[in-house]
Amino acid sequence: AQKVTQAQTEISVVEKEDVTLDCVYETRDTTYYLFWYKQPPSGELVFLIRRNSFDEQNEISGRYSWNFQKSTSSFNFTITASQVVDSAVYFCALRSQGGKLIFGQGTELSVKP
Amino acid sequence: EAGVAQSPRYKIIEKRQSVAFWCNPISGHATLYWYQQILGQGPKLLIQFQNNGVVDDSQLPKDRFSAERLKGVDSTLKIQPAKLEDSAVYLCASSPLRQRSTDTQYFGPGTRLTVL
Repeated sequence: AQKVTQAQTEISVVEKEDVTLDCVYETRDTTYYLFWYKQPPSGELVFLIRRNSFDEQNEISGRYSWNFQKSTSSFNFTITASQVVDSAVYFCALRSQGGKLIFGQGTELSVKP
Repeated sequence: EAGVAQSPRYKIIEKRQSVAFWCNPISGHATLYWYQQILGQGPKLLIQFQNNGVVDDSQLPKDRFSAERLKGVDSTLKIQPAKLEDSAVYLCASSPLRQRSTDTQYFGPGTRLTVL
C-alpha cells in the first residue's frame, strides 16, 4: 500500500525564519514520483515540484529547497527566510507508475509578520 | 495559457437535493481528474478520464455520484441525492498525456459544497 505522512499538522513561524516541512512516504514500487503542492486560502492547489525516484539530487528554487532521501523515504521541503505570502497549506504527494496521486494530510504553515 | 476553470465556486444545498459541478481543463490536456477534499484532509481521487473514457472510478460512490466528459474536453460531476458527508471542496485537475505517471496535474480553484 502507498501512503504519505505529513506529521506536522500546523507550523507557525515569524517572518524571515527558516522552516522545514516534513514528508515521509511508503511504497513498494521502485519507480515512483513525489510532488509538493501549495494550497493558499483561495483554495487552488499550486504545483511546486516533481521528483522521480531515480533522482536524489536536492533542488533549490529561490527561497525553496527540497531534500529527497530514499534511505529514509523522506522528501522534505524547506522555505528560507519565510514571508507572510508563504502562509498556506502544503501537501506532499506520491504517485507510482500507472497509479493514483496519493496526498498527505497537509501541513498548515502560518507566517506571522 | 488559461488554467483549469471550475464553476460554481461555492454551493449550498440541503440534503437530498442534487448538485452539479463543471470543469474546463487546460487546453489540449487529455486527462481530467475529479478530487474530493474534506476539510483538514488531502484531496482524494474520485474519477479519472482520459479523453472521454473513464480510467479509474474505483473511489467514486456510484450510488449517488456520476461524472461525464462527453466530448473529451469539459466535464460535469453530479451528486444526487446529496448527504451531509458530501460537504467538501471538489477539485478538478488536468494533465497532458505524455507519460501518465510523470505528468504533473494542474488544479482548478475548486467548488466548495456545503450540505445542510
